[in-house]
Amino acid sequence: DVKVTQSSRYLVKRTGEKVFLECVQDMDHENMFWYRQDPGLGLRLIYFSYDVKMKEKGDIPEGYSVSREKKERFSLILESASTNQTSMYLCASSATGVGTYEQYFGPGTRLTVT
Amino acid sequence: QKEVEQNSGPLSVPEGAIASLNCTYSDRGSQSFFWYRQYSGKSPELIMFIYSNGDKEDGRFTAQLNKASQYVSLLIRDSQPSDSATYLCAVNPGGYNKLIFGAGTRLAVHP
Repeated sequence: DVKVTQSSRYLVKRTGEKVFLECVQDMDHENMFWYRQDPGLGLRLIYFSYDVKMKEKGDIPEGYSVSREKKERFSLILESASTNQTSMYLCASSATGVGTYEQYFGPGTRLTVT
Repeated sequence: QKEVEQNSGPLSVPEGAIASLNCTYSDRGSQSFFWYRQYSGKSPELIMFIYSNGDKEDGRFTAQLNKASQYVSLLIRDSQPSDSATYLCAVNPGGYNKLIFGAGTRLAVHP
């Protein structure tokens, strides 16, 4: 079974803090994604990575950065947390190539910024 | 802006009935289409995907795709209370397996 794990289920941080969210997958997937999910807005893509050290901005990258130094690990960084970044953060991974591949999701991190 | 639209619901159906969930998308070049189920407080899990026009069946679930109308639906037969969840429609517009998600439809199956 594919397993995607995230470093924390719940996190509380203060405004202005630097926040690291970690995601690890064990299926040797090339693609990894970071989403945030807010009521009524669905999942919105923050960043994705299609290979080690490669990254692309998603729909809402402002205020976030990412790092992918190893294939299995994709980190989301909030450089200076703000209250409007309070949200559920979901990491996902998928294979790539010819064909249709689903995204597998981690359990999510509920981040509260106070 | 590529969009995926879903009725937010809640869609309320009695146990044993057919639940019909609908989704429209704006990018005519979209290649594949996914239905995810998300229980409250949990992460999304895949129910099924479809990429050809027509119907695709998997157990009690049937996905229907009409590319000309830019419309995809999910039918759940013999609905059970355990099917009560939010159903997310997602569309792959092509490239790197990125998905664009709708906001989801909340389904409530009552005994």
